[in-house]
Amino acid sequence: DARVTQTPRHKVTEMGQEVTMRCQPILGHNTVFWYRQTMMQGLELLAYFRNRAPLDDSGMPKDRFSAEMPDATLATLKIQPSEPRDSAVYFCASARGARNNEQFFGPGTRLTVL
Amino acid sequence: GENVGLHLPTLSVQEGDNSIINCAYSNSASDYFIWYKQESGKGPQFIIDIRSNMDKRQGQRVTVLLNKTVKHLSLQIAATQPGDSAVYFCAETSRDDKIIFGKGTRLHILP
Repeated sequence: DARVTQTPRHKVTEMGQEVTMRCQPILGHNTVFWYRQTMMQGLELLAYFRNRAPLDDSGMPKDRFSAEMPDATLATLKIQPSEPRDSAVYFCASARGARNNEQFFGPGTRLTVL
Repeated sequence: GENVGLHLPTLSVQEGDNSIINCAYSNSASDYFIWYKQESGKGPQFIIDIRSNMDKRQGQRVTVLLNKTVKHLSLQIAATQPGDSAVYFCAETSRDDKIIFGKGTRLHILP
């Protein structure tokens, strides 16, 4: 059955290292979202794309985070350099086109920055 | 209801009873609302949605009520089962596609 996939599922790294998280949206979905979930802040929208173009990345720290969609089947979220405060679960979600359509979430990447 | 910080509000319900989870939203311009369920170790999963031109919507064992006057949303789960144990999030969105999530409520089912 169709689902959003994310890799890696878990990542432990040291402060200062680059981290890249990947997401494969559901085939046919042209809107992709990146979220971060922490105990303190809950679920926060970092960025989202439609038809591979970034529509909003205002929730993302620009100095260290970057999000791209190299093609319709791959979205990436990169942190460089990583910091301990970046430790969180990062979720990707995809949706089909028009606004207010159901978002399907991936299983998340649990990132720990030491 | 909503909460800030480390501790999510917890609703404990006897198995078989009905559960009501409440949510206050902040933006009076929001016109689309969603309830998500998140089980441990998984991503949020869509449960039910409602648009602002409706007051009530029913699904299988779930009902969402919307009160725009007081900006309140509730999720009712009928005949709560052990599989309903999860954290439940309300979410709101307005003219753009950005979804703003609430902090979540943990539903605990008592045997």
